[in-house]
Amino acid sequence: DIQMTQSPSSLSASVGDRVTITCRASQGISSSLAWFQQKPGKAPKSLIYAASSLQSGVPSKFSGSGSGTDFTLTISSLQPEDFATYYCQQYKSYPLTFGGGTKVEIK
Amino acid sequence: EVQLVESGGGLVQPGGSLRLSCAASGFTFSEHYMDWVRQAPGKGLEWVGRTRNKANSYTTEYAASVKGRFTISRDDSKNSLYLQMDSLKTEDTAVYYCIRSTRSPYSNYYFEYWGQGTLVTVSS
Repeated sequence: DIQMTQSPSSLSASVGDRVTITCRASQGISSSLAWFQQKPGKAPKSLIYAASSLQSGVPSKFSGSGSGTDFTLTISSLQPEDFATYYCQQYKSYPLTFGGGTKVEIK
Repeated sequence: EVQLVESGGGLVQPGGSLRLSCAASGFTFSEHYMDWVRQAPGKGLEWVGRTRNKANSYTTEYAASVKGRFTISRDDSKNSLYLQMDSLKTEDTAVYYCIRSTRSPYSNYYFEYWGQGTLVTVSS
């Protein structure tokens, strides 16, 4: 199985900050990586697929990069509605696997 | 507008069975791969399994934790996805999400739309 490791597991940031979350795969997954946002009590929302492609309707303040084993999600200017937990996920091979999540909290 | 609405969750005893349904609308259901993902209380996301579309013979994939106990099926005539869960264990307690998947430029399939989820509690 491909293990997905996210870091940090949590972070505190202020409105307006630039935030970067890292995701590492235990083996190469090309660009078969997605990012999701989840707010408390809500279903996850798809943000990015193919490592850097924005899902329809997702604001451009979100961006993704990377290929192979190392990936990043960047939020360019954190807004109150962005405080949530973020997950990465590989879809290169079965079983499909998720990172452990990164909780973004208000400083 | 794409909509995925899960139903069928509830309380069940260990060793029991439950069948979840997902009603899809707003897209051509028969063309898409569909997945189930679950989330135990306070925990992260875990992929449960997938059904491919008719063009790919409705074949399925499962996580090791549910293989042999859970069965994914679909009825394209009813735009519906199902998850039959047998021999349930306390560790199957989770919110179960139905997901529409879409083919990526690299020919594998990524999660695109999520339902709101349905809670399954396995307890005596």
